[in-house]
Amino acid sequence: GAGVSQSPRYKVAKRGQDVALRCDPISGHVSLFWYQQALGQGPEFLTYFQNEAQLDKSGLPSDRFFAERPEGSVSTLKIQRTQQEDSAVYLCASSLDETTNEKLFFGSGTQLSVL
Amino acid sequence: QQQVKQSPQSLIVQKGGISIINCAYENTAFDYFPWYQQFPGKGPALLIAIRPDVSEKKEGRFTISFNKSAKQFSLHIMDSQPGDSATYFCAASQVRFGAGTRLTVKP
Repeated sequence: GAGVSQSPRYKVAKRGQDVALRCDPISGHVSLFWYQQALGQGPEFLTYFQNEAQLDKSGLPSDRFFAERPEGSVSTLKIQRTQQEDSAVYLCASSLDETTNEKLFFGSGTQLSVL
Repeated sequence: QQQVKQSPQSLIVQKGGISIINCAYENTAFDYFPWYQQFPGKGPALLIAIRPDVSEKKEGRFTISFNKSAKQFSLHIMDSQPGDSATYFCAASQVRFGAGTRLTVKP
């Protein structure tokens, strides 16, 4: 595909359920970022990968959040025991240049609703 | 977590007018300052960006002004068009985003 692809587009979970959100970055892009965007707010940084290495996970709000990128391409953000405050749009972005991380390309996001 | 303050929260401009959005940051380690445009249901899209060694950058109708000593930067949209109506975010080094400005350009 030409852009960053995220799936599912929408996810409804009952409180306490585990969810997995997928990101397919642009082919060849080394850097991958995850963000959480609450309604009416700016994106909040969660974590950053360079190839398969998770270089920064300082933004993950709790140990219920876990991200992986085992082969340096597709990434999965997993949220365990979801809570209502986890309801948000989860954005993935990728960049070709791992040195500067300029020119981020964002996916359309996964809208997570926890009931 | 947000260490980038953005204003105004919303902005209404007449077609052909100038839209100005401001941001201020705290951490001097930030070295890259992009502006993103976001339409409903879509992810942010890079509009224009600047590094702190430059005081101004212009691309078409979009200009960034950067004041390193004041730790402030702004986006100017010249000849604003209804199609520019969107939410705009400033950011710092891809890890800190402003809260967004909802721009409405009236025809």
